[in-house]
Amino acid sequence: DAGVTQSPTHLIKTRGQHVTLRCSPISGHKSVSWYQQVLGQGPQFIFQYYEKEERGRGNFPDRFSARQFPNYSSELNVNALLLGDSALYLCASSSVGLADYEQYFGPGTRLTVT
Amino acid sequence: SQQGEEDPQALSIQEGENATMNCSYKTSINNLQWYRQNSGRGLVHLILIRSNEREKHSGRLRVTLDTSKKSSSLLITASRAADTASYFCATGINDYKLSFGAGTTVTVRA
Repeated sequence: DAGVTQSPTHLIKTRGQHVTLRCSPISGHKSVSWYQQVLGQGPQFIFQYYEKEERGRGNFPDRFSARQFPNYSSELNVNALLLGDSALYLCASSSVGLADYEQYFGPGTRLTVT
Repeated sequence: SQQGEEDPQALSIQEGENATMNCSYKTSINNLQWYRQNSGRGLVHLILIRSNEREKHSGRLRVTLDTSKKSSSLLITASRAADTASYFCATGINDYKLSFGAGTTVTVRA
């Protein structure tokens, strides 16, 4: 079975631009979470979607938005990019979307904002 | 803010030696998980220990949990070069959100 997949692998954008990152969860998993990991730090929670509904949102500005599609894949959108948005963006899927259970992470998308 | 904090920040050991890292957290938890990350790639789940458990083993990994001290430790025995990675503890927050520490970077020297 394929694991969590993310695209693209790397991305370079200019300040002020918009970016869309994509994630496909493990087959059968209905929950997708997004995390931002700045170099040298641990991942920070951005969003979680379960059954296409937003279940939770971390402490991120409204420039960050996400959605989940009927096939449970997900997109993370970031508008008006800032230099500080440069990070590894990780997607994680799980069957029930509860923190009591193992999360399966994708390889991440490395975003560089210049 | 991050719930968990790992200690030490970095660790360098010889192949075959044991590596121990600690995690402290601030609030009550349902469970604590440990993840490994190789070279800034995706995280791999290592082990989950629930609040009513004190110790758990998985292969060369041993995790302990002391809820009275709000701390956990991860022991890797007989380390190998492939164990070189960053290790993160994560606690469950609000039932759906994982809160990660800043991680411990482990380097295993041949």
